[in-house]
Amino acid sequence: SQTIHQWPATLVQPVGSPLSLECTVEGTSNPNLYWYRQAAGRGLQLLFYSVGIGQISSEVPQNLSASRPQDRQFILSSKKLLLSDSGFYLCSGRGAPSGNTIYFGEGSWLTVV
Amino acid sequence: KNEVEQSPQNLTAQEGEFITINCSYSVGISALHWLQQHPGGGIVSLFMLSSGKKKHGRLIATINIQEKHSSLHITASHPRDSAVYICAVNTGNQFYFGTGTSLTVIP
Repeated sequence: SQTIHQWPATLVQPVGSPLSLECTVEGTSNPNLYWYRQAAGRGLQLLFYSVGIGQISSEVPQNLSASRPQDRQFILSSKKLLLSDSGFYLCSGRGAPSGNTIYFGEGSWLTVV
Repeated sequence: KNEVEQSPQNLTAQEGEFITINCSYSVGISALHWLQQHPGGGIVSLFMLSSGKKKHGRLIATINIQEKHSSLHITASHPRDSAVYICAVNTGNQFYFGTGTSLTVIP
């Protein structure tokens, strides 16, 4: 079955420092991958999604970027963190043979200080 | 306005009670998911529905596509059911999430 690994689980970073959250997928090939942030009052909000290597779509303008250097690797980055970047970040994926079933990483708690 | 609305936001129940969490959505969907988020943040997918009803142990999920509404029921609730329950809909290539229902079951 498909599994998603996400790290680090918790992170405390100073304002202005860089960020890298990594997500890797096992058990499927060519998955659709997603990065979400849990925003207050709106629940989980889609930040980026990717349907293949090098293919990234952004849903909201922000201080973050995403990359997909390999089929099963999805990275969320920032060059300079803002206080407002604090929150819970979640990677998820959907791929054959699961069809519509979605799988989730463990999540990452980011606190920008 | 959120594409997915959940109610209630918070719910406290005595052990053994029957619990219902509701989800309404405003977009066309290919599937609806019920998710469980534990205090550490980890998320587990409980159900995926496109029609009708599904049952897994003490959990039952129903969906009415015409009314754009789904319910998650927990029978004989237990303290270990305490978690945040999230409704999510898949419109094709995108997911929308409700804000979650925080459930606390008291022994």
